[in-house]
Amino acid sequence: AQKITQTQPGMFVQEKEAVTLDCTYDTSDPSYGLFWYKQPSSGEMIFLIYQGSYDQQNATEGRYSLNFQKARKSANLVISASQLGDSAMYFCAMRERRKTGTASKLTFGTGTRLQVTL
Amino acid sequence: GAGVSQSPSNKVTEKGKDVELRCDPISGHTALYWYRQSLGQGLEFLIYFQGNSAPDKSGLPSDRFSAERTGGSVSTLTIQRTQQEDSAVYLCASSLGGALLTEAFFGQGTRLTVV
Repeated sequence: AQKITQTQPGMFVQEKEAVTLDCTYDTSDPSYGLFWYKQPSSGEMIFLIYQGSYDQQNATEGRYSLNFQKARKSANLVISASQLGDSAMYFCAMRERRKTGTASKLTFGTGTRLQVTL
Repeated sequence: GAGVSQSPSNKVTEKGKDVELRCDPISGHTALYWYRQSLGQGLEFLIYFQGNSAPDKSGLPSDRFSAERTGGSVSTLTIQRTQQEDSAVYLCASSLGGALLTEAFFGQGTRLTVV
């Protein structure tokens, strides 16, 4: 079963508009972390934002916010005031807690390609 | 250096040859990950090292793939008898400790082409 599901292979948004990139996850562990990464055409992986399963408030980082709905197991990324430089692949990822107490590997979704247009 | 360093940045090899890919994590980072990314695709997990724990090898696609991490620092991913389907970008990442909410820092990757 997929741990992380990103159902939007591609999205378009006009410059200065907001866009939401969807991410749902599957875990039975009460302790986990959710992450978003950006990968521009240059190929580098850029960390954007994370959310802990026990966090009461949605994480925010500049123009990025994470819409965390625990009961629905969703962790959507919201980008406000889109810029041309936001055009990239966006990956959602999750890390769970292993039985040893340490964190597990980081599992990624298949990504969403965002294109910002004029 | 300050970041995760991978070498070589590009590698072209003939089918059937063995290759070694190297990753130097950020100093002090006890967690190290290897991923594979085919063109336009997502990140496929290969292997995860965390401190002195047994590595999570659940993502290695076949017994031609192996990885080690010496002294808790540098890691080498070895692919034996390379096949054309092994062509991809191999990404290494490291993070601080085994905590849940720690950012993983990625290297620039090694682009492997098997001809």
